Amino acid sequence: AQSVTQLGSHVSVSEGALVLLRCNYSSSVPPYLFWYVQYPNQGLQLLLKYTTGATLVKGINGFEAEFKKSETSFHLTKPSAHMSDAAEYFCAVSGRSGGGADGLTFGKGTHLIIQP
Amino acid sequence: DAGVIQSPRHEVTEMGQEVTLRCKPISGHNSLFWYRQTMMRGLELLIYFNNNVPIDDSGMPEDRFSAKMPNASFSTLKIQPSEPRDSAVYFCASSPPGRTTEAFFGQGTRLTVV
Repeated sequence: AQSVTQLGSHVSVSEGALVLLRCNYSSSVPPYLFWYVQYPNQGLQLLLKYTTGATLVKGINGFEAEFKKSETSFHLTKPSAHMSDAAEYFCAVSGRSGGGADGLTFGKGTHLIIQP
Repeated sequence: DAGVIQSPRHEVTEMGQEVTLRCKPISGHNSLFWYRQTMMRGLELLIYFNNNVPIDDSGMPEDRFSAKMPNASFSTLKIQPSEPRDSAVYFCASSPPGRTTEAFFGQGTRLTVV
């Protein structure tokens, strides 16, 4: 079974400041980890994913995340926030214990607010 | 590609009525997922299909919910009878073949049961 905890339902940063959204996971099998972004009244869009290999993964819009197995974490960062980054961010884990796709387990989401 | 297409985008229905949500996955994708999003419970996986076969329906809340995938290009999620607590945004997503692929989401159907 898998679970995801996102620390902080709301995070507020100033434009140009560092963005850090926290995600911790639990998985009984080697996890595949994802960050999705959701803009108002839209579906979810993939920001980045970790499957295997390099633990620092880069995604779209300048975001990156680092898989730390020892800490069971997959925190999302961006060096400099932009107003357009304001959205809801979801961390998700997939067990991928078998062949083919598997359903995702999502965290509760973090609402990112950008202050001008 | 047009992406995952869901219809309708909005649905308002009265308690007790049957509701059918529709989804067209991305061509070539062989996995399809139905999720429900509410303020209280967040995003929950209801059911998913692989090659049109239901793999895991443990997230379906109760027998009032049913899902079908008659072919690779179409799926439905039906609620009969609907209740106010079913009000939520329902998302359909699809994935291409492979173990490392991500899900591509539709824009969702906002269901309101009054």
